[in-house]
Amino acid sequence: DSGVTQTPKHLITATGQRVTLRCSPRSGDLSVYWYQQSLDQGLQFLIQYYNGEERAKGNILERFSAQQFPDLHSELNLSSLELGDSALYFCASSVGGDFSGNTIYFGEGSWLTVV
Amino acid sequence: TQLLEQSPQFLSIQEGENLTVYCNSSSVFSSLQWYRQEPGEGPVLLVTVVTGGEVKKLKRLTFQFGDARKDSSLHITAAQPGDTGLYLCAGDGRNTGFQKLVFGTGTRLLVSP
Repeated sequence: DSGVTQTPKHLITATGQRVTLRCSPRSGDLSVYWYQQSLDQGLQFLIQYYNGEERAKGNILERFSAQQFPDLHSELNLSSLELGDSALYFCASSVGGDFSGNTIYFGEGSWLTVV
Repeated sequence: TQLLEQSPQFLSIQEGENLTVYCNSSSVFSSLQWYRQEPGEGPVLLVTVVTGGEVKKLKRLTFQFGDARKDSSLHITAAQPGDTGLYLCAGDGRNTGFQKLVFGTGTRLLVSP
């Protein structure tokens, strides 16, 4: 158990719909990262928040958005869903704001299937 | 275009065999990490290498960072079924202009009893 909690574990939704994925970081961790893992693209970095502020942006689509709340939990919002958005979405957390010297802990992921 | 290419993509071996997984890039990374991901779980950090030429050992796993910090290898001695999983290398991309941890394409290892 990494200490990072993600909900829901699985969800199936139709194209055009909107879903919200939730992440609670490890106790004491200020950074939250979101990753998308698909068979053809591998593990792709989406976005990072540090202590409530956006820290780094990766390959996140405009249809996707995220935020980190004062209690440090984070939500990833996916809208106007397409079949190609089907993937495993991981949340990860770390104490610091960068990767150097920080261990990043991954949650178990949220499986999204768009039908 | 993937910054980090791993080879082989898939490896199926018998228990007791040795293997090496490679992680290559044309970019220099300030540090490089190796993760193992098991089905239904997130990646778990195995090791971080920082210095060019550095070698780290974790039981039967040996990790090496290339002298130029552009590549790395993972060698497993006497593989066990418990070693089965997806192995991912990841580089600190800040030196390449990326403010993010860049993951490799992955090597899926299957160790049969």
